[in-house]
Amino acid sequence: QQQVKQSPQSLIVQKGGISIINCAYENTAFDYFPWYQQFPGKGPALLIAIRPDVSEKKEGRFTISFNKSAKQFSLHIMDSQPGDSATYFCAASPGNQFYFGTGTSLTVIP
Amino acid sequence: EPEVTQTPSHQVTQMGQEVILRCVPISNHLYFYWYRQILGQKVEFLVSFYNNEISEKSEIFDDQFSVERPDGSNFTLKIRSTKLEDSAMYFCASSPNEKLFFGSGTQLSVL
Repeated sequence: QQQVKQSPQSLIVQKGGISIINCAYENTAFDYFPWYQQFPGKGPALLIAIRPDVSEKKEGRFTISFNKSAKQFSLHIMDSQPGDSATYFCAASPGNQFYFGTGTSLTVIP
Repeated sequence: EPEVTQTPSHQVTQMGQEVILRCVPISNHLYFYWYRQILGQKVEFLVSFYNNEISEKSEIFDDQFSVERPDGSNFTLKIRSTKLEDSAMYFCASSPNEKLFFGSGTQLSVL
C-alpha cells in the first residue's frame, strides 16, 4: 500500500517558470509533511516542511500549499532556475517514521 | 555544518555474502534510520532506532537485516546473506526531532 502518492513523475519547466509537484495521502495520523530535494549521488536534503494546522508555508521561492480536507499538499517553486533541477520527494510522518512519495524529476531548461 | 557520514560510498559483493554498512550520525541526534532507494524508485523505510533499540521496522527489514550502535558514534546496518534484490542505495539518516538529515549513501551492488 502506497502511503503517499506523488505526481508527476517528471517535469520540465522553462527558466523563470513555476514548478508544481503534487502529493496525496490517506492516513489522517500524518501530522508532518516535508519536501526533500535530491541531487544525483547525494542523499535527500530537507527543503521545506509544513504541519496541517496551516494551509501554506513559504520559504524564499519555495511554497507548500496544504489542503487538509482533500488530504493533498503541493510544492510550488517560483522563478524556477536550472540549479533547481533535481529529484523532489514529498513525505509524510505520523511521528517517528517517514513515508516517501515516488519522486519527481524536475528539469529546468534555460 | 555537521553532517551524516556513510562508508563505504560503494560496496560490491557476491550473493550470499555478509555486508556491513557504516554510518556516523550527527552527534547530538537521538533518532537513527536506515532507508534504501532502488535506482529511480522511491526512498523506502527500513528501520528506525532510538534509545539503543529498534523502534520500528518495515516488512523489508527481515531476519537478514540487523542494526547496531556498537559505540557512541557509529550506527551500522548488517545484511547477513545478500540477495540480488538487495542491490540499492542505502541511506542512513539521523534526527533530533522530526527533521531527517541524510548521509550521501552507500551504493550496494550484489552480483
